[in-house]
Amino acid sequence: QVQLQESGPGLVKPSQTLSLTCTVSGGSISSGGYYWSWIRQHPGKGLEWIGYIYYSGSTYYNPSLKSRVTISVDTSKNQFSLKLSSVTAADTAVYYCARTTVTTSYNDYWGQGTLVTVSS
Amino acid sequence: NFMLTQPHSVSESPGKTVTISCTRSSGSIASNYVQWYQQRPGSSPTTVIYEDNQRPSGVPDRFSGSIDSSSNSASLTISGLKTEDEADYYCQSYDSSNHEVFGGGTKLTVL
Repeated sequence: QVQLQESGPGLVKPSQTLSLTCTVSGGSISSGGYYWSWIRQHPGKGLEWIGYIYYSGSTYYNPSLKSRVTISVDTSKNQFSLKLSSVTAADTAVYYCARTTVTTSYNDYWGQGTLVTVSS
Repeated sequence: NFMLTQPHSVSESPGKTVTISCTRSSGSIASNYVQWYQQRPGSSPTTVIYEDNQRPSGVPDRFSGSIDSSSNSASLTISGLKTEDEADYYCQSYDSSNHEVFGGGTKLTVL
């Protein structure tokens, strides 16, 4: 059973960079056939796709966030990471990592989510 | 890019059947698979339908999915409603650039 776990600071100051890591267990990021995704949910709102990465390093980003987002992968640690720069209060959200099938973009496994608050 | 539009909320009584729609704004709904996720308060989303009409193991057959090209929409139908079905439901698809798109979500109330 694949499991994903987000980790990182729960509080980030405005204008700084939000950094989160997702650790995958029960399966290898390098096995292929899957993207590794970041999705967020503003308080009381819907889901917003941030982007995903393939184990080879190919990335796809939400155009509305692309200028501020970097997703990277560390296959040796079976982890992938999110960096979101120049954050504002509007980036306060629960951030989820997920595994996504390449062929049908189906998010079959999700992490539990981590709340990141942007505040001084 | 395109948008997926869902009703903000629906309500129905236990034992009844409810259908939640998800309308694609441009391009054909049949072009890319649609998934449906259930999210209860304080929990991560879980899949109830993937690839338009497939149920993951463990999801009861009360849940079904379909697409309708004439209305360019996907639908999630839940029959024999139970109070435990009360949750937010999101549709999701993707575009030709491999960008995911989520619907705005529908709050299902079972009363």
